[in-house]
Amino acid sequence: AQRVTQPEKLLSVFKGAPVELKCNYSYSGSPELFWYVQYSRQRLQLLLRHISRESIKGFTADLNKGETSFHLKKPFAQEEDSAMYYCALRSGAGSYQLTFGKGTKLSVIP
Amino acid sequence: DTGVSQDPRHKITKRGQNVTFRCDPISEHNRLYWYRQTLGQGPEFLTYFQNEAQLEKSRLLSDRFSAERPKGSFSTLEIQRTEQGDSAMYLCASSWTGDRNEQYFGPGTRLTVT
Repeated sequence: AQRVTQPEKLLSVFKGAPVELKCNYSYSGSPELFWYVQYSRQRLQLLLRHISRESIKGFTADLNKGETSFHLKKPFAQEEDSAMYYCALRSGAGSYQLTFGKGTKLSVIP
Repeated sequence: DTGVSQDPRHKITKRGQNVTFRCDPISEHNRLYWYRQTLGQGPEFLTYFQNEAQLEKSRLLSDRFSAERPKGSFSTLEIQRTEQGDSAMYLCASSWTGDRNEQYFGPGTRLTVT
């Protein structure tokens, strides 16, 4: 069975400091990995996915199959980045369900 | 608003009662998903439809839960004989096969069972 682990429930950083939100997964095949974000009083929305290899709002994430990780990074945190971040995995192989981690609350201190 | 909509947004019910939630996906999306989220947890998959066919069901979906998507458009999720452990946020999402399966989420229905 697949599993997604986000070890930090809460991460506080100062504005302008680098951010790294950790995500580790367990799955024996070749999964598809996503980061979803939920801003206060808003719905869950896709931030980025590993197959796109793009930067969204200054965030990037690289899939490391050796370490089974998909950490989310941003070089300089902004106050508007404060939100709940969820890492999610889709196993592929005809399955479309997402397996989510428990989420990390990012708080950017002005 | 052309996003995923859910109704009601909040539901308070007494233990043992039945409840039904509705989800209206984005109009051109043929895939629809239900998730449940409890406090401090990420969303947990419940079930998935492609058009009107229910193709995946989680073992979390006990026999008290039933979901339908009769015409391949809106979907309903019914919980029979509710229990306090059913209290959660119920999320609906939709996607389109041609969009790399990006799932667009609704605002959720918060269920409280007293």
